[in-house]
Amino acid sequence: GAVVSQHPSWVICKSGTSVKIECRSLDFQATTMFWYRQFPKQSLMLMATSNEGSKATYEQGVEKDKFLINHASLTLSTLTVTSAHPEDSSFYICSARKQGTGELFFGEGSRLTVL
Amino acid sequence: GQNIDQPTEMTATEGAIVQINCTYQTSGFNGLFWYQQHAGEAPTFLSYNVLDGLEEKGRFSSFLSRSKGYSYLLLKELQMKDSASYLCVRAPSGGYQKVTFGTGTKLQVIP
Repeated sequence: GAVVSQHPSWVICKSGTSVKIECRSLDFQATTMFWYRQFPKQSLMLMATSNEGSKATYEQGVEKDKFLINHASLTLSTLTVTSAHPEDSSFYICSARKQGTGELFFGEGSRLTVL
Repeated sequence: GQNIDQPTEMTATEGAIVQINCTYQTSGFNGLFWYQQHAGEAPTFLSYNVLDGLEEKGRFSSFLSRSKGYSYLLLKELQMKDSASYLCVRAPSGGYQKVTFGTGTKLQVIP
């Protein structure tokens, strides 16, 4: 089946540093990728929709300058958490929409801890 | 999530059958997904329905009625490992539109 790889799975960083998370569709092309954040015992919250070759569309309340999204190719999108703070600690998950069928596949998630 | 309704929690007995219902807004509909999410993990794909009817995959089946804006996930022969959250996810029409999530149904399977 289709696979979406997310890297890194775990990351611990110091407050004020930036962290980049990659989301790759390994065996299909994805014109659209989505980034979510999930706090413990809560539902997935959509942060932004990433379209290949164009600017991401951010959800209300999500800071564009803090969460930089780049969708440079049909198989790769990146999320950079800039100047991370402890409140940014969360589980970040990407999903990729398969071109053609429209099926949506999730990455394994990246757990960010900001000290 | 926007315009998606599913029960918050359900409890069922090991070996039994459970049905998790989901209703959604019918406008701009382009398919409905069901995902399983264990605590601390990313969701995993269970099913994708675009046409009306029942689709069966082993112990899991998913049903869709587009006219009613209704879907359900049916889990048979429940196992303890089926304890998880089940997410009903609506895909909008148009490849660039965002998907919308239900809040998920937390299913607890008891012995």
